[in-house]
Amino acid sequence: DQQVKQNSPSLSVQEGRISILNCDYTNSMFDYFLWYKKYPAEGPTFLISISSIKDKNEDGRFTVFLNKSAKHLSLHIVPSQPGDSAVYFCAATGNTGKLIFGQGTTLQVKP
Amino acid sequence: DAGVIQSPRHEVTEMGQEVTLRCKPISGHDYLFWYRQTMMRGLELLIYFNNNVPIDDSGMPEDRFSAKMPNASFSTLKIQPSEPRDSAVYFCASSLRPGDGYTFGSGTRLTVV
Repeated sequence: DQQVKQNSPSLSVQEGRISILNCDYTNSMFDYFLWYKKYPAEGPTFLISISSIKDKNEDGRFTVFLNKSAKHLSLHIVPSQPGDSAVYFCAATGNTGKLIFGQGTTLQVKP
Repeated sequence: DAGVIQSPRHEVTEMGQEVTLRCKPISGHDYLFWYRQTMMRGLELLIYFNNNVPIDDSGMPEDRFSAKMPNASFSTLKIQPSEPRDSAVYFCASSLRPGDGYTFGSGTRLTVV
């Protein structure tokens, strides 16, 4: 039972263009959502988060959008840079405090 | 702070052997989590502790898996006996509060042959 799903295993974009990574969730009790970034041979690192009381949160080139009615969130990276190439994990949590992660999406940004 | 420290970085063992993975969380972090990364399921939560007490072990796949946290600065994840399907990268993470941004270790890549 995958409560957090990232249906695109991989994404390839050109440097300077927008990268859009998508995530869907099934548990309506989730009220806080996070994105993590992972480079090879390293642990995931926190990137950006959003509370369910908001529908958008921006941090520099990174913006997360939340659509509660659709149980969908997305991460936008503008402009994309080669150093953004990594695996991106979507995560969600609710009153249990546990972070539930998706399967991850591998982003490749081509120079 | 050196961050979350995991050892070993790589472990290769034969099927049936006992494997012990180790984790030192960030000092002052009251929550410790063990995750397993696989291609199919991404990052799966196996178990987490609060103040050294196991709170939720519903993600532990089988009785072959066990985890302990004898003190605030050390935790172990043990697999006995190990099987080839246990091959994965195992991550430890810690945080100040549940659901907060976790700090992950670099992981242990386990290969069971």
